[in-house]
Amino acid sequence: EAGVAQSPRYKIIEKRQSVAFWCNPISGHATLYWYQQILGQGPKLLIQFQNNGVVDDSQLPKDRFSAERLKGVDSTLKIQPAKLEDSAVYLCASSFSGGDTEAFFGQGTRLTVV
Amino acid sequence: QKEVEQNSGPLSVPEGAIASLNCTYSDRGSQSFFWYRQYSGKSPELIMSIYSNGDKEDGRFTAQLNKASQYVSLLIRDSQPSDSATYLCAVNRGNNDMRFGAGTRLTVKP
Repeated sequence: EAGVAQSPRYKIIEKRQSVAFWCNPISGHATLYWYQQILGQGPKLLIQFQNNGVVDDSQLPKDRFSAERLKGVDSTLKIQPAKLEDSAVYLCASSFSGGDTEAFFGQGTRLTVV
Repeated sequence: QKEVEQNSGPLSVPEGAIASLNCTYSDRGSQSFFWYRQYSGKSPELIMSIYSNGDKEDGRFTAQLNKASQYVSLLIRDSQPSDSATYLCAVNRGNNDMRFGAGTRLTVKP
């Protein structure tokens, strides 16, 4: 079974530029998460999708971050404009919807804003 | 109060010893609990899940859950240098709302 796919693996941009990350969840997983993990900290939930609907985006900085999940499968997370403090690893995870199940993570995208 | 709290460590134990990792959570309605291991530069990987009060053993790992005290722990017996990593406690608050603690960094010294 293929795991969660993310791209790119690494990205370096200048502040005020925009960037987009892509995620393809495990087949059949209705729940998709985007987490931000700053060095030395635990993953912080940015947004949770159930199919193509948003369940929770309370911690998403909506003035600069946006996310969508088209057709309930792939998802993109965008930052525009980026700030220095956005430097982090962006983790996509998915889980089977049907109970309180574990989340499976992709390899993450390491973003450096200079 | 943070949703999921862990001692950040670092926790250092000698090879062969028992490592004890602790976690508390704030949402009393939470029903499922997970321990993830994260090696430096890698993404988290699931090592244990627990849903009921009591102990759950899997090889050298034992997860303990006490819902009344809102407390989850992970014991690693016969610790090995390869166990050196950050251990993340995760709580599913319902509807797949998954929240993570800050992680405890464990070092196992040969």
